[in-house]
Amino acid sequence: EAGVAQSPRYKIIEKRQSVAFWCNPISGHATLYWYQQILGQGPKLLIQFQNNGVVDDSQLPKDRFSAERLKGVDSTLKIQPAKLEDSAVYLCASSRSGTGGQPQHFGDGTRLSIL
Amino acid sequence: AQSVTQPDIHITVSEGASLELRCNYSYGATPYLFWYVQSPGQGLQLLLKYFSGDTLVQGIKGFEAEFKRSQSSFNLRKPSVHWSDAAEYFCAVGADGNTGKLIFGQGTTLQVKP
Repeated sequence: EAGVAQSPRYKIIEKRQSVAFWCNPISGHATLYWYQQILGQGPKLLIQFQNNGVVDDSQLPKDRFSAERLKGVDSTLKIQPAKLEDSAVYLCASSRSGTGGQPQHFGDGTRLSIL
Repeated sequence: AQSVTQPDIHITVSEGASLELRCNYSYGATPYLFWYVQSPGQGLQLLLKYFSGDTLVQGIKGFEAEFKRSQSSFNLRKPSVHWSDAAEYFCAVGADGNTGKLIFGQGTTLQVKP
């Protein structure tokens, strides 16, 4: 089966600009996750979708980050305006369901650099 | 709240030597535990997982992990390391609420000497 697809792979922007990332999960996976991975740290969950509804966005900086999953398939994560501390790898993952123990399948991520 | 600690930030082993990466977790009930591996520029790949039952879990690429409730540990082992095992390894625990959310440790970078 095809894996989780993410684009772009790399993005360089200046602070205060906006940026968007796209994710296409594995076909049939109901749950989609966006993680932020800062250099030298483990991934941190930003937002979790179950189909097209939000399950958990408690760690999403909502003043500048937004995400949507229209039609319960693809998802877009946006940052506006970007800050220097947003430099990180943004990982998308999906799983068949959002229950405990379900393995998550990760994309290769988008590496964001803020100048 | 749940947490995961990986005490070793960086480990270097010789090719062919055995490997053990440490992971300690904080969780009230029986946790869901995972080990993932991340090669440079790539996403995370699942090595193995523990839910219940046999405390010694076998995974891909010759890795295994042992769940020890008394020590709140889930250490990853491999009897003989290959140069291709050089990567970053993450331990993760399933969060409360059975939502599938994972809490990750900060990772251990494995370097393999020829």
